[in-house]
Amino acid sequence: AQSVTQLGSHVSVSEGALVLLRCNYSSSVPPYLFWYVQYPNQGLQLLLKYTTGATLVKGINGFEAEFKKSETSFHLTKPSAHMSDAAEYFCATRAPSGYSTLTFGKGTMLLVSP
Amino acid sequence: EAGVVQSPRYKIIEKKQPVAFWCNPISGHNTLYWYRQNLGQGPELLIRYENEEAVDDSQLPKDRFSAERLKGVDSTLKIQPAELGDSAVYLCASSLDGTGGVHEQYFGPGTRLTVT
Repeated sequence: AQSVTQLGSHVSVSEGALVLLRCNYSSSVPPYLFWYVQYPNQGLQLLLKYTTGATLVKGINGFEAEFKKSETSFHLTKPSAHMSDAAEYFCATRAPSGYSTLTFGKGTMLLVSP
Repeated sequence: EAGVVQSPRYKIIEKKQPVAFWCNPISGHNTLYWYRQNLGQGPELLIRYENEEAVDDSQLPKDRFSAERLKGVDSTLKIQPAELGDSAVYLCASSLDGTGGVHEQYFGPGTRLTVT
């Protein structure tokens, strides 16, 4: 079974600072991995995904994530935080073959201060 | 292109009352999902439809929850009777298909249900 663990329910950064949101996965085979963002009172929006190939994936809004098999991690980063990045971020995983359910982490709320 | 539409956006009911949520997926998307998101948690799948067929409903509490997707387009999720523990956000999502390829799931804004 696939699972993800997001470290830290809340992360606070100053505007312009580095954003680092942590996600570790548990899987017997390299899974597909995703990061979603959820703004208040809105649905989830896909930021980026890793399936196969290049381990550094770039997404929307300047975010990127690196798949590290040795560390079973898929941390989300952004070099410079913007006030508009304040939202909740969810890491998700699914098995790579056929169809399988997306399994989400508990989420990390990103707070950005001026 | 219109996104996934859900209604109502908010619903407050007393326990033991019935409630229904409606979802209109993105045009052309064959796969439709209903998720429940409890406070402070990530979404959890309740049911997945491929066209009009429910192909994964293992997490749907069938004693009180029911869903339908007539004609493989719109879908309705119903709870009868509602319990206090059903308070959550109910999200609908759709994708081109659910098999094989990693087609993105597009989420609606959700219905926030409060059971008092």
